[in-house]
Amino acid sequence: GEDVEQSLFLSVREGDSSVINCTYTDSSSTYLYWYKQEPGAGLQLLTYIFSNMDMKQDQRLTVLLNKKDKHLSLRIADTQTGDSAIYFCAASLNGNQFYFGTGTSLTVIP
Amino acid sequence: NAGVTQTPKFQVLKTGQSMTLQCAQDMNHNSMYWYRQDPGMGLRLIYYSASEGTTDKGEVPNGYNVSRLNKREFSLRLESAAPSQTSVYFCASTSTYEQYFGPGTRLTVT
Repeated sequence: GEDVEQSLFLSVREGDSSVINCTYTDSSSTYLYWYKQEPGAGLQLLTYIFSNMDMKQDQRLTVLLNKKDKHLSLRIADTQTGDSAIYFCAASLNGNQFYFGTGTSLTVIP
Repeated sequence: NAGVTQTPKFQVLKTGQSMTLQCAQDMNHNSMYWYRQDPGMGLRLIYYSASEGTTDKGEVPNGYNVSRLNKREFSLRLESAAPSQTSVYFCASTSTYEQYFGPGTRLTVT
């Protein structure tokens, strides 16, 4: 199956940009996702990108995909304290089975 | 729309007891999933159901059974709970390639 890896922790100052990185192993993965999990809550779908795209921008969020290196990143511009959460990267071959990373805990320092 | 709902939110069981976790979605999705979330391990798939009447094992099915009662409901049963099943359980449903999660059930087995 697919292996999805992320670093465990990231700390940034309020107002700075955050970049969360993810790597995956299956080059056939067609859909790549970013989810946000706040304490005590379920996962919230933030954004996703298809494998035939290099970049997707959605307000403060920018997703970059390097398909050759199987590397996905999520950039959050002007990071706010409300962005503090765990961010999960996920990959799917067919939109039916999803493989999740272990999550990156983002701490925003005021 | 309520989205994906789960009951109960919290549960404490003694070793050997049984219980059923309930999940329902009102988005008319075909596919539904059960995951468990453990610290440092991300989400691991227990079972999924691609459509009403079908279920398939995921990565960690041992000790669990599922029932896809109808298109809306997908339940997870622990027949004889063990301390290793202490976890947070998430139900999810999928539309085409977007996956939506419930708020989770926090289960402790003593």
